[in-house]
Amino acid sequence: SQTIHQWPATLVQPVGSPLSLECTVEGTSNPNLYWYRQAAGRGLQLLFYSVGIGQISSEVPQNLSASRPQDRQFILSSKKLLLSDSGFYLCAWSTGQLGGGYTFGSGTRLTVV
Amino acid sequence: AQKITQTQPGMFVQEKEAVTLDCTYDTSDQSYGLFWYKQPSSGEMIFLIYQGSYDEQNATEGRYSLNFQKARKSANLVISASQLGDSAMYFCAMREGSSNTGKLIFGQGTTLQVKP
Repeated sequence: SQTIHQWPATLVQPVGSPLSLECTVEGTSNPNLYWYRQAAGRGLQLLFYSVGIGQISSEVPQNLSASRPQDRQFILSSKKLLLSDSGFYLCAWSTGQLGGGYTFGSGTRLTVV
Repeated sequence: AQKITQTQPGMFVQEKEAVTLDCTYDTSDQSYGLFWYKQPSSGEMIFLIYQGSYDEQNATEGRYSLNFQKARKSANLVISASQLGDSAMYFCAMREGSSNTGKLIFGQGTTLQVKP
């Protein structure tokens, strides 16, 4: 069965420090991968998506970047965190099909102080 | 551009009663998919129900049903016989069929509180 792992679960980082969040998928190949961010009490904002290794598309300009070094690995990074980067980050994967399931990781709650 | 609108920031419902959460969408695609997710306080996203734009019948999954009105571009979620465990945030989302990226665009969500 397919599973998605996301870590860490919580993170407190000082302003200006780097960030690396990792997401891995098991049990499937060539998934579409996504990073979302959710501000407290708000909806999910799509940050990045990837349809293949090395293929990254950004949805909004920001202080973050994403990479996909392996088929089932998706990494969200920042060189210098801002206070506004605080939020709940969710990784997800799906097939490319319209009705394909969309599975989310358990999320990382990031607080920048 | 695709857009999802949920106009109810918060809703209350009495336990065992039914509740409808509203969702309207906008897309120029003829082929698209509509999803509802539940997010409890733990933060996990739980898939509830899916409706394809070409599906002739409204989707149902246990106590969840989707009232799909294509002409009105609405996809309301109906929860029957509410339970205390239904208290959570609910998101409507859409994926357009013309794109192979599978991007899922979410509404702002509705917080549902079930009263005992």
